[in-house]
Amino acid sequence: GAGVSQSPRYKVAKRGQDVALRCDPISGHVSLFWYQQALGQGPEFLTYFQNEAQLDKSGLPSDRFFAERPEGSVSTLKIQRTQQEDSAVYLCASSWGTSGGATGELFFGEGSRLTVL
Amino acid sequence: SQQGEEDPQALSIQEGENATMNCSYKTSINNLQWYRQNSGRGLVHLILIRSNEREKHSGRLRVTLDTSKKSSSLLITASRAADTASYFCAASNFGNEKLTFGTGTRLTIIP
Repeated sequence: GAGVSQSPRYKVAKRGQDVALRCDPISGHVSLFWYQQALGQGPEFLTYFQNEAQLDKSGLPSDRFFAERPEGSVSTLKIQRTQQEDSAVYLCASSWGTSGGATGELFFGEGSRLTVL
Repeated sequence: SQQGEEDPQALSIQEGENATMNCSYKTSINNLQWYRQNSGRGLVHLILIRSNEREKHSGRLRVTLDTSKKSSSLLITASRAADTASYFCAASNFGNEKLTFGTGTRLTIIP
């Protein structure tokens, strides 16, 4: 497709369940980011990939959060043993890459809204 | 944690008026970007201004950057109902690939 695709768009999980959120970036985009957005707030950085390498995971809130991008294209964000505080919209974004260490325009998907009951 | 703050948090204006939103950030930037988010949707890139630029225009958008005050403003001229959305600034810092977003301004255009 032409844009960043995320699935599922909506996910309801019972507390303690594991969830997996998928991101299909724009073809050829080197950089891939995951953000978490709570209601009424701005996106908060979770993790960053350059191709298949996870170069920054400083924003992952706990070891229950895990992300991968094994072949440098599709990425999966996995949350184990979900808690109510994990309820948020998870946004994926991709870009061509960085130039001189500066990030240019990010292309965002529509997000996956996770509700933990 | 959020890089900066947008102000105001919410803004309602009549269609046709100009809307101004401000953003402050905390650390030195390489560039600053503005994004728009319609309710329930992803973010859409509007404009990027580099740290050595002071003003930039794109259609009805005008962005200014004051690195001495660590602040930026986004002006939308001749607002339309379709401009109703949340607007976020995002800072790109040296040596750091991630963008750090502000808290956003919710803009409502009254027809």
